[in-house]
Amino acid sequence: EGQVVESGGGLVQPGGSLILSCAASGFTFNTYAINWVRQGPGKGLEWVSGITGSGASTYYADSVKGRFIISRDNSKNTVSLQMNSLRVEDTAVYYCAKERSSTSRGAFDIWGQGTMVTVSS
Amino acid sequence: QPALTQPASVSGSPGQSITIPCTGTSSDVGGYNYVSWYQQHPGKAPKLMIYDVNNRPSGVSTRFSGSKSGNTASLTISGLQVEDEADYYCNSYGGSRPLVFGTGTKVTVL
Repeated sequence: EGQVVESGGGLVQPGGSLILSCAASGFTFNTYAINWVRQGPGKGLEWVSGITGSGASTYYADSVKGRFIISRDNSKNTVSLQMNSLRVEDTAVYYCAKERSSTSRGAFDIWGQGTMVTVSS
Repeated sequence: QPALTQPASVSGSPGQSITIPCTGTSSDVGGYNYVSWYQQHPGKAPKLMIYDVNNRPSGVSTRFSGSKSGNTASLTISGLQVEDEADYYCNSYGGSRPLVFGTGTKVTVL
């Protein structure tokens, strides 16, 4: 079945930086794209970023483009999200999610429990 | 990236069928067969219910079905049960706009 576990959330001041990590197990990691999806307090889901299985291609929502960087280490089965120039509106639970297959788009079959990021002074 | 449009709430009695629409544009929902639906209970991570418009992952009840017509995708829940009470989100691939989620719908079982 597999699982993903997020870590790295916390409290950070506006303009600060934070690195989130997603550790995967139970599936052939380098075969699957991994994405980050966030959910602000009382709000809906928002796709943030994605990276292909090889790491060759990365994608970002307009709201984070130029501020966030996604990367992966297939030797360690991990994906990272480097978040810079953080804003109050980036406050959310951040979920790591595995793409179901290389032929699907947006079909995330494995989700982590989420890690909370709070941007506040 | 404007979100896909869903009604804020839909309700039904146990045993009834309900349908949740998800409206986008010809650049996302209407242009690709990459629409997924998620169920989210309070305080929990989302769960994939439908992918590629009308496919159910293994283990998801056959009471859940998906469809699409033009720029609107729909999730139908048949034989509504108390445990179906949750928030539901659609998403769609959008080509140059990689992925967008819907605004979310709260389903209430009366």
